[in-house]
Amino acid sequence: DAGITQSPRHKVTETGTPVTLRCHQTENHRYMYWYRQDPGHGLRLIHYSYGVKDTDKGEVSDGYSVSRSKTEDFLLTLESATSSQTSVYFCAISESWDGNQPQHFGDGTRLSIL
Amino acid sequence: AQTVTQSQPEMSVQEAETVTLSCTYDTSENNYYLFWYKQPPSRQMILVIRQEAYKQQNATENRFSVNFQKAAKSFSLKISDSQLGDTAMYFCAFMNDIIQGAQKLVFGQGTRLTINP
Repeated sequence: DAGITQSPRHKVTETGTPVTLRCHQTENHRYMYWYRQDPGHGLRLIHYSYGVKDTDKGEVSDGYSVSRSKTEDFLLTLESATSSQTSVYFCAISESWDGNQPQHFGDGTRLSIL
Repeated sequence: AQTVTQSQPEMSVQEAETVTLSCTYDTSENNYYLFWYKQPPSRQMILVIRQEAYKQQNATENRFSVNFQKAAKSFSLKISDSQLGDTAMYFCAFMNDIIQGAQKLVFGQGTRLTINP
């Protein structure tokens, strides 16, 4: 299994509070991704990183920011959480652009915003 | 924008039967990758099988195989001799965009498959 650890695994918080989710990898892969999973939508890309301090927006980036200060860690921050951000969040990593080296996923974080 | 459609929200079959999950996609590109991921109740996302569009031969991984129809933009997953452990949510995913070298995946809505004893 790919060495990907997401923390926390579960979190409950209140509307308006800041929340940071962490993704840690031990594979030394260059590319890292954050997705959210909601019923009826599958997984949707929030942000991705193509190197240390190199990040860009995905399909559903509003209300989220990311940071990557070292290869192994990719942080997702909700500056002021809203109920619409209640979801399961997945981190993924990939070694290259090559689809023959596909993305591998962490175990997800279930986030509830009350 | 590329889209991926899984038209079967739920399916249920008996153990040992064969089941086929449907997936269609929309793209104007000629070369791309297609994937099936499995998500059991444990919530892990597990890669089941992948197909590169320029390869005409359908991919096979043990009991899992695909029927890739490029002209029809169809990518169905067949599970033979289904087992209780195959019970999971299955997601079809499409990739052709490469942004700064990163893989951009677009997922379908998922099909919940239940294997009954």
